[in-house]
Amino acid sequence: DTGVSQDPRHKITKRGQNVTFRCDPISEHNRLYWYRQTLGQGPEFLTYFQNEAQLEKSRLLSDRFSAERPKGSFSTLEIQRTEQGDSAMYLCASSGEQVLAGRDEQFFGPGTRLTVL
Amino acid sequence: QQPVQSPQAVILREGEDAVINCSSSKALYSVHWYRQKHGEAPVFLMILLKGGEQKGHEKISASFNEKKQQSSLYLTASQLSYSGTYFCGTGLRSWGKLQFGAGTQVVVTP
Repeated sequence: DTGVSQDPRHKITKRGQNVTFRCDPISEHNRLYWYRQTLGQGPEFLTYFQNEAQLEKSRLLSDRFSAERPKGSFSTLEIQRTEQGDSAMYLCASSGEQVLAGRDEQFFGPGTRLTVL
Repeated sequence: QQPVQSPQAVILREGEDAVINCSSSKALYSVHWYRQKHGEAPVFLMILLKGGEQKGHEKISASFNEKKQQSSLYLTASQLSYSGTYFCGTGLRSWGKLQFGAGTQVVVTP
């Protein structure tokens, strides 16, 4: 399977706990995006990496959220002191093949569904 | 500001056609269309760039009117597999974040 993979697929945690999600992009894709999706809404942008550099972060992202992509390959998203409002599907997307042509085609992974009790 | 999609929902019989619209108040570089089935990730359908592109994917095609900052997705001779929620994502640059509309739920019945 050469698509975007995410782990875990489901996470249930208690309020106040820390959680970490992992995303493995499509091989050789140098751009990686994190989005969050709640029920009945479209994905909402969280942050974006080009290689290992975090180039953009949503103003909606609180200090409890941090993301890394240390070697420019996989990425992790950590949420500290989780709140019930953090319950959502966390989606990762990657792009890179058509970037030089000006076509930033973003392919999504299966997502991590977070439930905060 | 997120793009506005219309209609919110549409019910079709197999073989019928439908149009989904996506409008933005900003000058767009690109429009990306995705289909998402319940509990699954959005699946990339196509990307359209400014300049008035038209694209096709099987019997699903789309257009982008740069003057109106509006894109339309055309479902032709719909199949049961076309059921799902369709999202448009808009980009202001050749790379970077997408802003997504609230989605259009499409139900195709036999």
